Amino acid sequence: GQSLEQPSEVTAVEGAIVQINCTYQTSGFYGLSWYQQHDGGAPTFLSYNALDGLEETGRFSSFLSRSDSYGYLLLQELQMKDSASYFCARNRDDKIIFGKGTRLHILP
Amino acid sequence: DAGVTQSPTHLIKTRGQHVTLRCSPISGHKSVSWYQQVLGQGPQFIFQYYEKEERGRGNFPDRFSARQFPNYSSELNVNALLLGDSALYLCASSSDPLISTEAFFGQGTRLTVV
Repeated sequence: GQSLEQPSEVTAVEGAIVQINCTYQTSGFYGLSWYQQHDGGAPTFLSYNALDGLEETGRFSSFLSRSDSYGYLLLQELQMKDSASYFCARNRDDKIIFGKGTRLHILP
Repeated sequence: DAGVTQSPTHLIKTRGQHVTLRCSPISGHKSVSWYQQVLGQGPQFIFQYYEKEERGRGNFPDRFSARQFPNYSSELNVNALLLGDSALYLCASSSDPLISTEAFFGQGTRLTVV
């Protein structure tokens, strides 16, 4: 199987921290990516994990555990502009396989 | 530098018609991929082209076809449109998907089939 599972919606408060989880079932592994998509916009690359551990890029961090087939995206110091859909995705040599996405709602 | 550009941005077609969507990749990128995104779902892979050759195909019917031109731009064609083909069609470019971990997406073409 090549499915990726992530929560459909998450709600958090402005200024807080939120974690979006992703589990995957795949044969073979090529790395886990995260994309952000605002309503009406294009998916935008956020991060990529090829190896276990934490990757940090500003307010965003992404974690991968290959033994657990699990990863997460951590967003800190949430801002209203972070309201969007977030997709975990697997890279394959000929395609990217996306999860169904997590809609992040941010409350003021 | 221009990003990935797609045209048209929106269009409405009647069931049974044919449609052609166009994509220009980022300058220097040789790979173009097409994705279909229905509302509330993640993008689903349709095709990938690299150096004008098809490298991958997703689980879509033969009504869907694509090609890549010598300047690396690409067209996605859909014949005999069905209502279920209504979606956002995204084009993504990368330098070489075998070594690139990041895909750059265009704003998409919103296709409505009535």
